[in-house]
Amino acid sequence: GQQLNQSPQSMFIQEGEDVSMNCTSSSIFNTWLWYKQDPGEGPVLLIALYKAGELTSNGRLTAQFGITRKDSFLNISASIPSDVGIYFCAGSPGTASKLTFGTGTRLQVTL
Amino acid sequence: GAVVSQHPSRVICKSGTSVKIECRSLDFQATTMFWYRQFPKQSLMLMATSNEGSKATYEQGVEKDKFLINHASLTLSTLTVTSAHPEDSSFYICSASSTVRVDEQFFGPGTRLTVL
Repeated sequence: GQQLNQSPQSMFIQEGEDVSMNCTSSSIFNTWLWYKQDPGEGPVLLIALYKAGELTSNGRLTAQFGITRKDSFLNISASIPSDVGIYFCAGSPGTASKLTFGTGTRLQVTL
Repeated sequence: GAVVSQHPSRVICKSGTSVKIECRSLDFQATTMFWYRQFPKQSLMLMATSNEGSKATYEQGVEKDKFLINHASLTLSTLTVTSAHPEDSSFYICSASSTVRVDEQFFGPGTRLTVL
């Protein structure tokens, strides 16, 4: 099935640094979601975006719904060790529709 | 709020046996539940979408007779892997969307299936 392209694929950063990752699609989505998955666990919803151009924050996390509706960005400020994990974007074409997931960005934070 | 549980969290079975995985929404009613499969270091791949009281919709390439899905109530969906084989070993995760927040999916903790 279709997958969204996420970049970077993985990143090593130092504690305290800011992190940026993005997700692109060849088709338009009406909802963008960002999840974090820890090893052996299910994904946890971080941020949901519903409108093109929307910028939404959740603590140190900020996500934006691209104006073209074909991309989304997630920023993490002042990273801490517990930010380690895999971050997935997911797009939905409409209400209660199935999600298409990104390829994931693996984040590792060093002290 | 929006808690989804899965049972069992881990199961090991012999080849040829069937395994049932339960997915429950604990504090909300889920009109739609989704079943995903995830291989190591890969993203989630949707297997099927189930709506309460109706037949599940399977993604292309997913055998409906192999992966039986039942969505008996607004809080419970089950996935049965029939006649399991080693290639069915994987991490199976369910998600649910509520009647209130229909565009958001909340995931269970996953079930690790190992077929010997």
